[in-house]
Amino acid sequence: ILNVEQSPQSLHVQEGDSTNFTCSFPSSNFYALHWYRWETAKSPEALFVMTLNGDEKKKGRISATLNTKEGYSYLYIKGSQPEDSATYLCASRTLYNNNDMRFGAGTRLTVKP
Amino acid sequence: DSGVTQTPKHLITATGQRVTLRCSPRSGDLSVYWYQQSLDQGLQFLIQYYNGEERAKGNILERFSAQQFPDLHSELNLSSLELGDSALYFCASSVGGTEPYEQYFGPGTRLTVT
Repeated sequence: ILNVEQSPQSLHVQEGDSTNFTCSFPSSNFYALHWYRWETAKSPEALFVMTLNGDEKKKGRISATLNTKEGYSYLYIKGSQPEDSATYLCASRTLYNNNDMRFGAGTRLTVKP
Repeated sequence: DSGVTQTPKHLITATGQRVTLRCSPRSGDLSVYWYQQSLDQGLQFLIQYYNGEERAKGNILERFSAQQFPDLHSELNLSSLELGDSALYFCASSVGGTEPYEQYFGPGTRLTVT
């Protein structure tokens, strides 16, 4: 079973820094890539759903890119704020294997004021 | 508040027992997804229903089953419970089926098996 990998595992940045992290996923039978933001003691919150190679999505200071041929996605946060502190999860969905969805372990971001 | 509701919030039960977790999707959403989050395994996709029919399947054990009713609420049944089934169970909903729509997560049901 091929896994979804996220790096780094954790990241500490200063307020105002820009940051990015990576999600690697199996490129074969790719269907969709989801990004979620997950704050402690809350539920995951959808950020982006991406399907097409070269897709770029943006929501405020957060953006994401997708490369389905090589199997990776980047999430960027511009000018990090303390309220951006959370775990960022990606999940890859395939067309086959019962349309399974696999999650990475997440990148835990801490933004220091 | 995502609009997805889950009951109960907490559940404590003994090994060998059977429990039912309930999820009501957001108004207008036709798909319901079930996930398990355990300490050692992260978030795992269990199963998806779309308009009453099973649409996708993940790592769901044979002891677990789910269904989606005509009013679109869903139930996850866990039987012959083991200590390792202790986890946070999330339900999520989305508008469509196989199309990759955003999923909205409920607050979760924390299951403790003793």
